[in-house]
Amino acid sequence: DIQMTQSPSSLSASVGDRVTITCRASQGISNYVAWFQQKPGKAPKSLIYAASSLQSGVPSKFSGSGSGTDFTLTISSLQPEDFATYYCQQYAIYPLTFGGGTKVEIK
Amino acid sequence: VQLVESGGGLVRPGGSLRLTCSASGFTFSSRALHWVRQAPGKGLEYVSSISSNGGSTNYPDSVKGRITIFRDNSKNTLYLQMSSLRPEDTAVYYCVRGGDDTLDPFDIWGQGTTVTVSS
Repeated sequence: DIQMTQSPSSLSASVGDRVTITCRASQGISNYVAWFQQKPGKAPKSLIYAASSLQSGVPSKFSGSGSGTDFTLTISSLQPEDFATYYCQQYAIYPLTFGGGTKVEIK
Repeated sequence: VQLVESGGGLVRPGGSLRLTCSASGFTFSSRALHWVRQAPGKGLEYVSSISSNGGSTNYPDSVKGRITIFRDNSKNTLYLQMSSLRPEDTAVYYCVRGGDDTLDPFDIWGQGTTVTVSS
């Protein structure tokens, strides 16, 4: 199975900060990476697919990059509604696998 | 576009349960569908996938042989039949829409249904 290693597992940031979360795949997966946001008690929400394409309706403050084994999710200017847990996922090969999550908290 | 899960509940170890996901607002028969679960306080875990026509399915080793995904395109409904349930199957189970192919990205998530396996 492909392992998706996310870092950091948590971070504290202030409103207006630029935040970057990384995800490393245990083998090359081209750009078959998606990112999801989950708020407490809610279902996940799809943010990004194909490493850098925004899902419909997702604001442009979210961006993704990477190819091969290293991927990043960046939030350009953190807002109160962005405090949540973020997950990466690879969909190149079955079984699909998720990263362990990054909890973004208010500093 | 909406996915609504149901069928969760409390079940004893070794028992069975069938989850249902009712879909609306899109052409159900043209999309792959998936189940993803989340144990209390834990991350997301892939459970299964099914192709648009139901002819192809996938499972991780952790559930293979105990869980079956199937769909009824005439009813716009996805199912997850779970048997030989274990305490570690306790989780919120989400139904997720994919693309035309089972290896297309996810887009829409349901609100989830909770399964508790306990004596």
